[in-house]
Amino acid sequence: DTGVSQDPRHKITKRGQNVTFRCDPISEHNRLYWYRQTLGQGPEFLTYFQNEAQLEKSRLLSDRFSAERPKGSFSTLEIQRTEQGDSAMYLCASSLGGGWNTEAFFGQGTRLTVV
Amino acid sequence: AQSVSQHNHHVILSEAASLELGCNYSYGGTVNLFWYVQYPGQHLQLLLKYFSGDPLVKGIKGFEAEFIKSKFSFNLRKPSVQWSDTAEYFCAAKANQAGTALIFGKGTTLSVSS
Repeated sequence: DTGVSQDPRHKITKRGQNVTFRCDPISEHNRLYWYRQTLGQGPEFLTYFQNEAQLEKSRLLSDRFSAERPKGSFSTLEIQRTEQGDSAMYLCASSLGGGWNTEAFFGQGTRLTVV
Repeated sequence: AQSVSQHNHHVILSEAASLELGCNYSYGGTVNLFWYVQYPGQHLQLLLKYFSGDPLVKGIKGFEAEFIKSKFSFNLRKPSVQWSDTAEYFCAAKANQAGTALIFGKGTTLSVSS
């Protein structure tokens, strides 16, 4: 499968723990996006990268959230000191270029449950 | 701020019924519009997209959508739904400028009974 890959698919963690999710985009795609989706809502944009540069991070939900894409390939999203309100599906998407007419391809997401 | 509204939260139809899902966007500039579908247990998939040109766009699986600029709308239609169309449908908009991200509506759950 050459689509967007996310790992793990499911994560259960205790409140206060740190979690890290990984996203592997489609190989030639230089843009990578992170979204969060809660029950009954559409995906909510968090941040995006062009190659290794994080070009937009103002939508990250708090300073507990951070993302990296160190070599311009895979990306990680970290949540520190998790809270129950962080429970959600975290989606990654990638695209070739970031122009207005490019299509984003989504992964299957990582479902986080904070207990 | 850019936003997308989907008016129908849950739509229930019988097979062969016609479908129309509403979508309105709020953005003063030029936007690009999308409909994504999420089948149970699967990832988001693109149904169709509008960038420019003919305001009536056709997508996969017999879906189409019409962009009406004066109404800021991009409604999704299908003349005859099938049980396999049961899924969640998301409308999304992206400002027509480089570096912007997709903004999604809250989604509409479609349930089709056979």
